[in-house]
Amino acid sequence: AQTVTQSQPEMSVQEAETVTLSCTYDTSESDYYLFWYKQPPSRQMILVIRQEAYKQQNATENRFSVNFQKAAKSFSLKISDSQLGDAAMYFCAYHSGGGADGLTFGKGTHLIIQP
Amino acid sequence: NAGVTQTPKFRILKIGQSMTLQCTQDMNHNYMYWYRQDPGMGLKLIYYSVGAGITDKGEVPNGYNVSRSTTEDFPLRLELAAPSQTSVYFCASSYFGQGKTQPQHFGDGTRLSIL
Repeated sequence: AQTVTQSQPEMSVQEAETVTLSCTYDTSESDYYLFWYKQPPSRQMILVIRQEAYKQQNATENRFSVNFQKAAKSFSLKISDSQLGDAAMYFCAYHSGGGADGLTFGKGTHLIIQP
Repeated sequence: NAGVTQTPKFRILKIGQSMTLQCTQDMNHNYMYWYRQDPGMGLKLIYYSVGAGITDKGEVPNGYNVSRSTTEDFPLRLELAAPSQTSVYFCASSYFGQGKTQPQHFGDGTRLSIL
């Protein structure tokens, strides 16, 4: 079974600064997807960014980018120019490529933005 | 499009009562999922479905039942509510085709308290 580990229960960053959230995973599969989801206090699950394991290029979405290290099984999220609206829980998640079963989530990191 | 719609948004049950959490999606997605999120934790998969008439257990299926009679609807039933089922429940859907799974879209969640 796959596991996802987020070792930082809470992170704090000054507004406009850059912060990196860590995620490691364990799998024996070669075909899979990795995701970062944002969960604000409204509890909605919002997709931030997606990485396909077979793609070597790191995914980027505006201020959000990932550092995908497949050999190390590491998938960190970098948020640049942090904004107050970025404050939320962030979950790293794993999905088997072509698999029907659901996402495997980490426990999450609570991101605090200091004004 | 409404996306994934869950009802109710909030419910209090007494121990031993039964209820059905409703989930419907209007995106013609073939895959649907039910997750639960306990305080301070990531989401855990309860049940999933790859199409009408086909369901399968996830990581934490005990105490729950599901059915999928149509592509759009995927209700989750609690037969004998127990305090351990106090949680936030999320329904999600995604499209699988041509060997690739698209990201999951989540509903807004149902907060369920068993007293």
